[in-house]
Amino acid sequence: SAVISQKPSRDICQRGTSLTIQCQVDSQVTMMFWYRQQPGQSLTLIATANQGSEATYESGFVIDKFPISRPNLTFSTLTVSNMSPEDSSIYLCSVERGSGSGNEQFFGPGTRLTVL
Amino acid sequence: AQKITQTQPGMFVQEKEAVTLDCTYDTSDQSYGLFWYKQPSSGEMIFLIYQGSYDEQNATEGRYSLNFQKARKSANLVISASQLGDSAMYFCAMNAGGTSYGKLTFGQGTILTVHP
Repeated sequence: SAVISQKPSRDICQRGTSLTIQCQVDSQVTMMFWYRQQPGQSLTLIATANQGSEATYESGFVIDKFPISRPNLTFSTLTVSNMSPEDSSIYLCSVERGSGSGNEQFFGPGTRLTVL
Repeated sequence: AQKITQTQPGMFVQEKEAVTLDCTYDTSDQSYGLFWYKQPSSGEMIFLIYQGSYDEQNATEGRYSLNFQKARKSANLVISASQLGDSAMYFCAMNAGGTSYGKLTFGQGTILTVHP
């Protein structure tokens, strides 16, 4: 399995501010993924982060709101910008491991964000 | 587009009994993968089991097995000998082959409660 860490594990923020979430993986991976889980909801993919290129965003998510960095093959950050209470969610990073067959998808422990 | 449907918002099972959590999916892709995750109240996503669309045998991992019926587009999770620690939210998810391996589509989840 992959060892994935996220910082911070939780935070309480004021509206209008920004928070950067870090995701660290114990070995090199090609793609990293960021998901959001709003309270009582399922997980929704925000974007795919590839090293050396711009992140690819899913419908409904934009770079200005969720800028992503991927400086190397083991690390990525997601920033939640100009936060509002609707951004209160668990944010999770995920990596694909293995031979590329897609049968290993692991998640970090998540960042629980509350926006007041 | 892919879609995952979990029709059981909540399920109850007696400790040591077996339980089946339902999952149906819809996709036009020929190659895809099906996943089950467990999410305890802590919020982390724990990978349980994977089934590839071309796998002829049903996947098993310890007490977890995946009842894969391709023609019916179902991928039910069977948990044998339930334990109190199995109480959690369970998510069914799928991805597509090719370059979209890491992009998971999730169902709405099923809350499992194990009674002593």
